Amino acid sequence: AQTVTQSQPEMSVQDAETVTLSCTYDTSENNYYLFWYKQPPSRQMILVIRQEAYKQQNATENRFSVNFQKAAKSFSLKISDSQLGDTAMYFCAFMNRYDYKLSFGAGTTVTVRA
Amino acid sequence: ETGVTQTPRHLVMGMTNKKSLKCEQHLGHNAMYWYKQSAKKPLELMFVYSLEERVENNSVPSRFSPECPNSSHLFLHLHTLQPEDSALYLCASSLGLAGGYNEQFFGPGTRLTVL
Repeated sequence: AQTVTQSQPEMSVQDAETVTLSCTYDTSENNYYLFWYKQPPSRQMILVIRQEAYKQQNATENRFSVNFQKAAKSFSLKISDSQLGDTAMYFCAFMNRYDYKLSFGAGTTVTVRA
Repeated sequence: ETGVTQTPRHLVMGMTNKKSLKCEQHLGHNAMYWYKQSAKKPLELMFVYSLEERVENNSVPSRFSPECPNSSHLFLHLHTLQPEDSALYLCASSLGLAGGYNEQFFGPGTRLTVL
């Protein structure tokens, strides 16, 4: 099974500022997907961004972008111009391209301060 | 909203009770999942169904019994649970199981408390 590590249990950021969440993973696979999920206090987990390992270009979705370093097995999430609605727990997840099992990290709680 | 609904949102039960959790997806997906989310722990995959057939049972105790009567509905039947089973139970669905169709959409979860 793949291991996904999020080393920051909690982070706090002032609104309009930028915060970066770290994620590392361990795998021997070459083709896989990486995800960042957001779980707000209302609990519904939603997909924030997805990266395909065979694509070198870092994925971007509006204010969310990733820094994917395949050799280093690192997949960090940057939230730019943080908003109060970004307050949530963020999970990094790994999936083999030809599988369905998501391996999740333990999560990082992000609090955006007004 | 992700198109996946779960009921009830909260459930309190005694160790001798029998209850069921329900999940429904309105996305036309063919695969459905049950996850357990405990505090300070990564999400744990419990069961996976594809086209109403169970394809994964991740060493889950028999006091948890899943049922998938059709591709839109998934149940988790609970009986004689233990206090350590208290957790948030999440349902998810995906179009398929692999090959680019495996993006999972999650429901809001059922917060289960076992007394």
